[in-house]
Amino acid sequence: GAVVSQHPSRVICKSGTSVKIECRSLDFQATTMFWYRQFPKKSLMLMATSNEGSKATYEQGVEKDKFLINHASLTLSTLTVTSAHPEDSSFYICSARPRGQYNEQFFGPGTRLTVL
Amino acid sequence: QKEVEQNSGPLSVPEGAIASLNCTYSDRVSQSFFWYRQYSGKSPELIMSIYSNGDKEDGRFTAQLNKASQYVSLLIRDSQPSDSATYLCAVRPFQKLVFGTGTRLLVSP
Repeated sequence: GAVVSQHPSRVICKSGTSVKIECRSLDFQATTMFWYRQFPKKSLMLMATSNEGSKATYEQGVEKDKFLINHASLTLSTLTVTSAHPEDSSFYICSARPRGQYNEQFFGPGTRLTVL
Repeated sequence: QKEVEQNSGPLSVPEGAIASLNCTYSDRVSQSFFWYRQYSGKSPELIMSIYSNGDKEDGRFTAQLNKASQYVSLLIRDSQPSDSATYLCAVRPFQKLVFGTGTRLLVSP
């Protein structure tokens, strides 16, 4: 149980295009989902927290107009990187917290984004 | 001061030895502490959680927490080459997890 999927696992795009990444909780409902970014040899940095049905809360320094987050249902959150540039190339990882739980959160397998 | 500090390593141990990984945190209100293992190119995998002072054992893993010293550690007994990975310490003062930069562990056969 407690499986989180991400799609796509890897994407290569041209500079200026937008990329959408999906995060799904497959066997549980997630009231809260988190989006992280990880650069090579660095730790995970939280980008934003999304609660189902409400606007995402972005961490300081993260542009909300560039990284659009939608948490439309209890099993799906999406991150759209708008007008991507090479500096947005990174490993994007989502995690989901099951409904009714506070301590546990489960990570998706990550999406490797490369912007040319 | 960083919120969660770990020695980046690498920590090299021979197969069968005990690996000891350490982590300190700055926010005293933290109540939940986690150890994640991350293989290169993969996402983190939860291996231990601990919420109260003392030791918590799960198989070859033992987590130790000392809130007074703001210190949490992970011991891996009988280390195996497959344990070679980066180990991330994470602390939750409120809703969000705060991660350390991780300690790279290398277990040599």
